[in-house]
Amino acid sequence: DAGVIQSPRHEVTEMGQEVTLRCKPISGHDYLFWYRQTMMRGLELLIYFNNNVPIDDSGMPEDRFSAKMPNASFSTLKIQPSEPRDSAVYFCASTGTGGMKKLFFGSGTQLSVL
Amino acid sequence: AQSVAQPEDQVNVAEGNPLTVKCTYSVSGNPYLFWYVQYPNRGLQFLLKYITGDNLVKGSYGFEAEFNKSQTSFHLKKPSALVSDSALYFCAVRDIETDKLIFGTGTRLQVFP
Repeated sequence: DAGVIQSPRHEVTEMGQEVTLRCKPISGHDYLFWYRQTMMRGLELLIYFNNNVPIDDSGMPEDRFSAKMPNASFSTLKIQPSEPRDSAVYFCASTGTGGMKKLFFGSGTQLSVL
Repeated sequence: AQSVAQPEDQVNVAEGNPLTVKCTYSVSGNPYLFWYVQYPNRGLQFLLKYITGDNLVKGSYGFEAEFNKSQTSFHLKKPSALVSDSALYFCAVRDIETDKLIFGTGTRLQVFP
């Protein structure tokens, strides 16, 4: 099993540009989570899906952020327009039925907005 | 609301010595508690969990954690530290109402040769 796969590993963009982060969960997992990690705020849950349906997006910072899960094997997190304060490491994680017992994390996307 | 606290930003220990990374929790009802480790430039990895049963939980890489209900603590321990254990360690609790995993702020463990 390849684990949770995220792309790109690094993204450098200019303020105002659209950024799309991608995630492929582990096959068979029906929960998918997007987290953001910064030095100041630690690890924050942005949104999570169950069976491709968004369950809780209360952690999404503002309307500039959106996430989709069109099928069981793919999810995107989009920021439009991006701002320097969005610079962070974004992690995707997945787990199987039973919810939160054990999350599997991807290696993250390091986003730098200049 | 459920929460965990990690009172130490950093823990330093010499290789071969025992290590403890502290975590306290605040929950309503029975806690579901977890420890995760993050190595540089990697995502978090699951170490161990406490759901119910024996208060001493054994996990990956020789780590264990002791659930103490009276002290509301779930400290991570290892009898003999390795330099390769140097990483960022996160305690987490499952929020029963929202089914979310709430992470602590993390503790950086530095093991010196």
